[in-house]
Amino acid sequence: AQSVTQLGSHVSVSEGALVLLRCNYSSSVPPYLFWYVQYPNQGLQLLLKYTSAATLVKGINGFEAEFKKSETSFHLTKPSAHMSDAAEYFCAVSGGNNRLAFGKGNQVVVIP
Amino acid sequence: DTEVTQTPKHLVMGMTNKKSLKCEQHMGHRAMYWYKQKAKKPPELMFVYSYEKLSINESVPSRFSPECPNSSLLNLHLHALQPEDSALYLCASSPMGQEMNTGELFFGEGSRLTVL
Repeated sequence: AQSVTQLGSHVSVSEGALVLLRCNYSSSVPPYLFWYVQYPNQGLQLLLKYTSAATLVKGINGFEAEFKKSETSFHLTKPSAHMSDAAEYFCAVSGGNNRLAFGKGNQVVVIP
Repeated sequence: DTEVTQTPKHLVMGMTNKKSLKCEQHMGHRAMYWYKQKAKKPPELMFVYSYEKLSINESVPSRFSPECPNSSLLNLHLHALQPEDSALYLCASSPMGQEMNTGELFFGEGSRLTVL
């Protein structure tokens, strides 16, 4: 079975500052890892994914994440926060069996 | 633009009503999903269809009845719902049986359901 842990439900960041969202996973098989973003009253949009190729993955809107097997982590970063980054962010893991396990999510607030 | 289309975007219904949520995808995906999402929570899996057959039912109450008429369409029939069923209902699809099936889901925009 797979699971992910996201700590800190609410994350406040100043505009222009680094965005860092932490995700740790547990998986009995080599995992596929995802970050999704959800804006208010919308569905989930894929930000980026790790599928066993490069460990540093670049996504949309300037986000990137690094897969670290030794730390079982897949943290999401963005060097400079923008007001439009205010949203809910979910980390998710799959064992390739069409069952995605989501973390509890991080609500990101950007302070002007 | 999402390639998974859900209708209606908003639905208000009474506890005695019968209504349906609809989902359509044209990406050739052979797995389709219904999720329920409460505010500030992650999506909760309800049903999975694989090759038009129900493969997963996460012990969902029978007042929710899924249907998959063909590989592109997915319906969720609603009957005698309770106020606590008010939520955002998300449809998703994923490729299945393909060489690189990572489990990635493609989501629609959701249907916001309010039960009075």
